[in-house]
Amino acid sequence: GQQLNQSPQSMFIQEGEDVSMNCTSSSIFNTWLWYKQEPGEGPVLLIALYKAGELTSNGRLTAQFGITRKDSFLNISASIPSDVGIYFCAGPYTGTASKLTFGTGTRLQVTL
Amino acid sequence: NAGVMQNPRHLVRRRGQEARLRCSPMKGHSHVYWYRQLPEEGLKFMVYLQKENIIDESGMPKERFSAEFPKEGPSILRIQQVVRGDSAAYFCASSPRTGRNEQFFGPGTRLTVL
Repeated sequence: GQQLNQSPQSMFIQEGEDVSMNCTSSSIFNTWLWYKQEPGEGPVLLIALYKAGELTSNGRLTAQFGITRKDSFLNISASIPSDVGIYFCAGPYTGTASKLTFGTGTRLQVTL
Repeated sequence: NAGVMQNPRHLVRRRGQEARLRCSPMKGHSHVYWYRQLPEEGLKFMVYLQKENIIDESGMPKERFSAEFPKEGPSILRIQQVVRGDSAAYFCASSPRTGRNEQFFGPGTRLTVL
């Protein structure tokens, strides 16, 4: 089956720093979704990407759809304490707009 | 516009009891998905439903688990004769139509089996 690996697994950064994380797949994806999950809550959709090479921003967040269609990247600029959480990439199984495969997650901790 | 609603938020059951988890999709959304999340793991797909139809249940355990999305009312995920291994967070997501893969998640139901 399809697998999504995220790195790094966790990050400890200082407030104000920029953050980069990535997601790689063993197979091609046609859509990449980035979610953030805070403790005790459901995932919140941050950015959706639909075309290879696409670069999309949402405030301080920027995500890119890799050219090979097997990877995606998420950057957070000037991190703040409320950026703390787990960031998941996700994508639909090829050929169907139904079930999502989720990545292993990147846990972000921000220190003051 | 209210988001995806799930209830209860927390559910405690003893082994052998039944658990019923409810999900009301976002207004205008007719597609519902259920996912399960174990501690420190990502979400795993369970089932995809449209009104009165199960479209894909490839992630559902073969026994004790069932799901429905009736014409009226919320979607229900039902777990019969719960066991400790069923303890997890169960999330519901909805989307407005196929073709776009964005799914919007509810806050989840945390099931604890004693």
